[in-house]
Amino acid sequence: SQTIHQWPATLVQPVGSPLSLECTVEGTSNPNLYWYRQAAGRGLQLLFYSVGIGQISSEVPQNLSASRPQDRQFILSSKKLLLSDSGFYLCAWSASGGRYTQYFGPGTRLTVL
Amino acid sequence: GQNIDQPTEMTATEGAIVQINCTYQTSGFNGLFWYQQHAGEAPTFLSYNVLDGLEEKGRFSSFLSRSKGYSYLLLKELQMKDSASYLCALASGGSYIPTFGRGTSLIVHP
Repeated sequence: SQTIHQWPATLVQPVGSPLSLECTVEGTSNPNLYWYRQAAGRGLQLLFYSVGIGQISSEVPQNLSASRPQDRQFILSSKKLLLSDSGFYLCAWSASGGRYTQYFGPGTRLTVL
Repeated sequence: GQNIDQPTEMTATEGAIVQINCTYQTSGFNGLFWYQQHAGEAPTFLSYNVLDGLEEKGRFSSFLSRSKGYSYLLLKELQMKDSASYLCALASGGSYIPTFGRGTSLIVHP
């Protein structure tokens, strides 16, 4: 069966510091991968998605970036965090080939102070 | 574009039945999803409807009417652990990526 991992689970970072969140998927090949952010009391906002190694699509212009160095690894980064970057970051995967159901990782709660 | 509308909050009694509605406006419908999200946790997949009608999975059922742009999630025999946010999400317009509604917070009380 498929499993999705995210780490760290929680993170407290000062404004202006860098960020690296990692997501890995097990039990499937060539998944579509996604990064979402959920701010307190708000809906899920799609940040990036990837259909393959090195292929990244950005949905929202911001100071975040994403990379996919391996088939089942997805990384969310920032060079300098802003207060507004605080939130719950969720990685998700779906099967390739038009099957749309997304399965979410446990999430990383980021607080920028 | 897509417009997804669902109630912000609902309350219900343990053991009862509750129906959470979701209406949408879109072109090129590709499917409608329901997810459950407990506070502080990730969303978990409940159902996917692409054809009209009712899909039943244990205590949870999901209904879709594409012509009316309408779906509902039906929860039977409510339990306290069903207190959570329920997210309606829509895939459409040639995209395989669902857009999520803001969610309905369900509070189940004794």
